[in-house]
Amino acid sequence: EVQLVESGGGLIQPGGSLRLSCAASGFTVSSNYMSWVRQAPGKGLEWVSVIYSGGSTYYADSVKGRFTISRDNSKNTLYLQMNSLRAEDTAVYYCAGPSSWFLYWGQGTLVTVSS
Amino acid sequence: EIVMTQSPATLSVSPGERATLSCRASQSVSSNLAWYQQKPGQAPRLLIYGASTRATGIPARFSGSGSGTEFTLTISSLQSEDFAVYYCQQYNNWPQLTFGGGTKVEIK
Repeated sequence: EVQLVESGGGLIQPGGSLRLSCAASGFTVSSNYMSWVRQAPGKGLEWVSVIYSGGSTYYADSVKGRFTISRDNSKNTLYLQMNSLRAEDTAVYYCAGPSSWFLYWGQGTLVTVSS
Repeated sequence: EIVMTQSPATLSVSPGERATLSCRASQSVSSNLAWYQQKPGQAPRLLIYGASTRATGIPARFSGSGSGTEFTLTISSLQSEDFAVYYCQQYNNWPQLTFGGGTKVEIK
């Protein structure tokens, strides 16, 4: 059974940094396309970033230059480093895979950016 | 960026009735379209990919159709567990993926 478990969310002040993790089981992160998708409170879904199996990374314009996606193959874990956080980054962040459409989702972790 | 527009925003349907949800793309996405169901407090669940292929374990009452810029998700006979928000997502313009704004299916 595939499981994706996110962690690392919380309350952070504007301008701060946070790193989200997504630990996978029953599924190899490095062999698949893994994305982060977010959902602001009461709003729809927004794709944030992807890392390809080959290691290439891409970002939504709204987070480019501030967020960095990475993975640790030995830990089978996906990460999202978020810097220069803004109020509009407040959302539940999901990791999802294994391709350009998302069969597997984590349960999400809430990031709240507020002073 | 490809903009995905879903209509209606809210659909009121009685149990047992048919529900038809629409999704329009601002430019052709071929058949590179997925549909998801999301219930409150839960992650989205994949229903359909490739515009019309049901994901594993999805009941046959869910069907998808369309190509190019116009897509439809049909729920043939609504069950109580189907009341939720539904999202379409294009993946033609990979890796710049985009979702529609969602359609909430509520009990009439």
